[in-house]
Amino acid sequence: EAQVTQNPRYLITVTGKKLTVTCSQNMNHEYMSWYRQDPGLGLRQIYYSMNVEVTDKGDVPEGYKVSRKEKRNFPLILESPSPNQTSLYFCASSLTAFGGRQGHSPLHFGNGTRLTVT
Amino acid sequence: QKEVEQDPGPLSVPEGAIVSLNCTYSNSAFQYFMWYRQYSRKGPELLMYTYSSGNKEDGRFTAQVDKSSKYISLFIRDSQPSDSATYLCAMSGGMDSSYKLIFGSGTRLLVRP
Repeated sequence: EAQVTQNPRYLITVTGKKLTVTCSQNMNHEYMSWYRQDPGLGLRQIYYSMNVEVTDKGDVPEGYKVSRKEKRNFPLILESPSPNQTSLYFCASSLTAFGGRQGHSPLHFGNGTRLTVT
Repeated sequence: QKEVEQDPGPLSVPEGAIVSLNCTYSNSAFQYFMWYRQYSRKGPELLMYTYSSGNKEDGRFTAQVDKSSKYISLFIRDSQPSDSATYLCAMSGGMDSSYKLIFGSGTRLLVRP
């Protein structure tokens, strides 16, 4: 089954304790992205990757790191989590990064990771 | 001002009603317009996609784009309890723009049996 898999689904941690949220897709997609979803603010992009070893900042990258060493995996790293990073996180992937001439490439989302930082 | 505005709801309707969900936007460069549906404890999934202006129909769902008014709509006919979810509009730029979706904050819909 084609899917984006995130782990863990739920995570409670304390301020400053490094954590990693994993994301893996089995669709051979080039483009992968991380979003956070907060009430009233919608989905905001944290980081994205257009292919292996190519990553770039989204709209809210502060406090996060990513890496893309393999095409299928795109982990999100919080080196020193803070309470304002408490949120619902989604990983997403699509076949290509560009619309326009290549046509629209729908985003496929994982089922989310609910993170609480105390 | 946000680039994309969406009423958060909740919108509560009886089964069988016609539902109208809407978004307004400020960036005239947007060319791709999408509606995603998000069930509780799930990730969003693409429901409808429209390029530029006009209407698109898929079963009970119709997506409408009015670029002159910077306004998009999603209509659901004969709404069902299974349509209860949060609906997110999303938009992105023109031919040479890199892929960047701007999402609305979502409208929560409840269809009562």
